[in-house]
Amino acid sequence: DAMVIQNPRYQVTQFGKPVTLSCSQTLNHNVMYWYQQKSSQAPKLLFHYYDKDFNNEADTPDNFQSRRPNTSFCFLDIRSPGLGDAAMYLCATSRGTSGVNEQFFGPGTRLTVL
Amino acid sequence: KQEVTQIPAALSVPEGENLVLNCSFTDSAIYNLQWFRQDPGKGLTSLLLIQSSQREQTSGRLNASLDKSSGRSTLYIAASQPGDSATYLCAVRHDYKLSFGAGTTVTVRA
Repeated sequence: DAMVIQNPRYQVTQFGKPVTLSCSQTLNHNVMYWYQQKSSQAPKLLFHYYDKDFNNEADTPDNFQSRRPNTSFCFLDIRSPGLGDAAMYLCATSRGTSGVNEQFFGPGTRLTVL
Repeated sequence: KQEVTQIPAALSVPEGENLVLNCSFTDSAIYNLQWFRQDPGKGLTSLLLIQSSQREQTSGRLNASLDKSSGRSTLYIAASQPGDSATYLCAVRHDYKLSFGAGTTVTVRA
C-alpha cells in the first residue's frame, strides 16, 4: 500500500544534542510537509517542500531545518533541541499545493528531550 | 490569519449515545475541511474531507456537515462505541496549508 512512513516512531535526545527525524513516502507526491504538535495543542506547520523548493513558515524557529534529497525522503533536523521542542512531529504529503489536493499523514515521531 | 476553534475541549458520553462535535473557523475562503481522529500518542487518521462546494459527507456512522458562510462544521457520530474514544481534530485548507483546531477529546463510557 502506498503510504507515508516516519522513523523512528519514538526519539529521545538530550538537551542541545542535534537530532534528525525521517519521513519517506511511496505516493510519489510533489509536496512534503512537517508539522509540530505539542501536547493538547493543534498541529502547527513548520515548513514544506514543493519538489526541491523549500518554504519556511514565518514563525518557525531557526533551530529547525529540513532537507529533501529526493522525491521520496524528507528530513527534519533540530540543531539544538530545547525542552520546549518536545512534541509529536508529523510528516504529510500531497500531490500539489492547491486546495483540491488532500494531505496524507504519517504516524508521527514523538520526540522527548531530556 | 485563519483561526480554528473546537468546543468543547472534552466530552464524555455513555455508549450508544450520538456524538456531536463542533468546529468553527474565522475565514470562510477555504478549499476544504477535513476531520481527523488521533489516538493517544499516535498520528492523524483522516475520517472525512468536505470540499468547499459540498454541504456534507458521510462514511458509515460518521456524517460531517459544512456551512462555509457561517464558518462552521459539525461531525456526527451515530451510536457511539468505546472504540470511538479518541481526540477528533478539524482542519481547514486554504492555499497550501492546513489550519487545525486543538481537538475535542471524546470518552465513550461502556
